[in-house]
Amino acid sequence: QSVLTQPPSVSGAPGQRVTISCTGSSANIGAGHDVHWYQQLPGTAPKLLIYGNSNRPSGVPDRFSGSKSGTSASLAISGLQAEDEADYYCQSYDNSLSGYVFGTGTKVTVL
Amino acid sequence: EVHLVESGGGLVQPGGSLRLSCAASGFTFSNYGMSWVRQAPGKGLEWVSIIGSSGVPTYYADSVKGRFTISRDNSKNTLYLQMNSLRVEDTAVYYCAKKYTGSYHFDYWGQGTLVTVSS
Repeated sequence: QSVLTQPPSVSGAPGQRVTISCTGSSANIGAGHDVHWYQQLPGTAPKLLIYGNSNRPSGVPDRFSGSKSGTSASLAISGLQAEDEADYYCQSYDNSLSGYVFGTGTKVTVL
Repeated sequence: EVHLVESGGGLVQPGGSLRLSCAASGFTFSNYGMSWVRQAPGKGLEWVSIIGSSGVPTYYADSVKGRFTISRDNSKNTLYLQMNSLRVEDTAVYYCAKKYTGSYHFDYWGQGTLVTVSS
């Protein structure tokens, strides 16, 4: 059972900006642990998209950005493209569980 | 280039055992923690276990504690997951993932191997 909550789906037209929220608690995000984001294209393995709340690995377009505040975090995709259709997961560390936790996942659809 | 290749998945009956392997290349394997993450069909990601660069420490999700054992052979650049007392709910694609040093995230993932627990 995921302890990080995300909206099941978000959608937008090409070129638009969409945001995905990730809500945690004082045991994980609120405890100061960083939030990381992964993109999972259909039928493929997850790929690191954002680490340390707002950092992009080499090769990730700057259309993707992340932020964190309090017990929540957000992923924004600006200039939405058809190739961005995928599932997106946030991830952090939970002190109560003494383990890594993932969000429930959000499916992004490009209209 | 980092490569992680899982193997060992398959069909097993409830109560049975299976050992997964993850062959690593493209980086100094012995310097990094490694983890297993699984994904049940049509579901989200679930962290399973993690192991330190030298083989210790090891940590497990409550859902697999006492049934699964993570280990590694740094001389063979290989990560393992021994799965015992398998349950139907363990059915999933199992990914191995490289942990980024100094942070609680995974910077590279393998393609996954499917484990199906069914009678």
